[in-house]
Amino acid sequence: QKEVEQNSGPLSVPEGAIASLNCTYSDRGSQSFFWYRQYSGKSPELIMFIYSNGDKEDGRFTAQLNKASQYVSLLIRDSQPSDSATYLCAVNPNQAGTALIFGKGTTLSVSS
Amino acid sequence: DVKVTQSSRYLVKRTGEKVFLECVQDMDHENMFWYRQDPGLGLRLIYFSYDVKMKEKGDIPEGYSVSREKKERFSLILESASTNQTSMYLCAIQGQETQYFGPGTRLLVL
Repeated sequence: QKEVEQNSGPLSVPEGAIASLNCTYSDRGSQSFFWYRQYSGKSPELIMFIYSNGDKEDGRFTAQLNKASQYVSLLIRDSQPSDSATYLCAVNPNQAGTALIFGKGTTLSVSS
Repeated sequence: DVKVTQSSRYLVKRTGEKVFLECVQDMDHENMFWYRQDPGLGLRLIYFSYDVKMKEKGDIPEGYSVSREKKERFSLILESASTNQTSMYLCAIQGQETQYFGPGTRLLVL
């Protein structure tokens, strides 16, 4: 069974710190990887996607992918209280007609 | 921008009732999905559809059915609601890069 694993947290960081969220996946053939943010009571929203090994930066967010280690991470620099949310890692199993595989999410709490 | 709407944000139903949850997209996307989300269990796929009148079971289809008569509309049906179907229900569509979610329906079955 294809799986995506995340630490459930909560991960607590002070305002201004770097938050590091990690995700591992089991399907070595996976080609695309996504990070969603979900505020309490709301639906998930896409914040980053990455296809190639290495880093991808978008503002305060950096996604990192290491396909050899089957590992994806999300770094949030200068964390703000508004970043407090659950972060879901998702993997495309790269089979036509199938859904993304989601991790259960990591809860991040940023204290001011 | 991709827009996905769901018929209700909050719904309260009684055990045994038939419940319809509707999802509508404003683009011509083929793939549509229904998930439920529960604390500690994450997102679980119930059903998905890759075209009109086509459907595929997800991980937890028991107690649910779906209907897709038009491309823009994907309905989730609880044939006889039970208390263990109390949950947040999320519809999603497959966009160019990834899935985009509707606002969700929080269903309480009493």
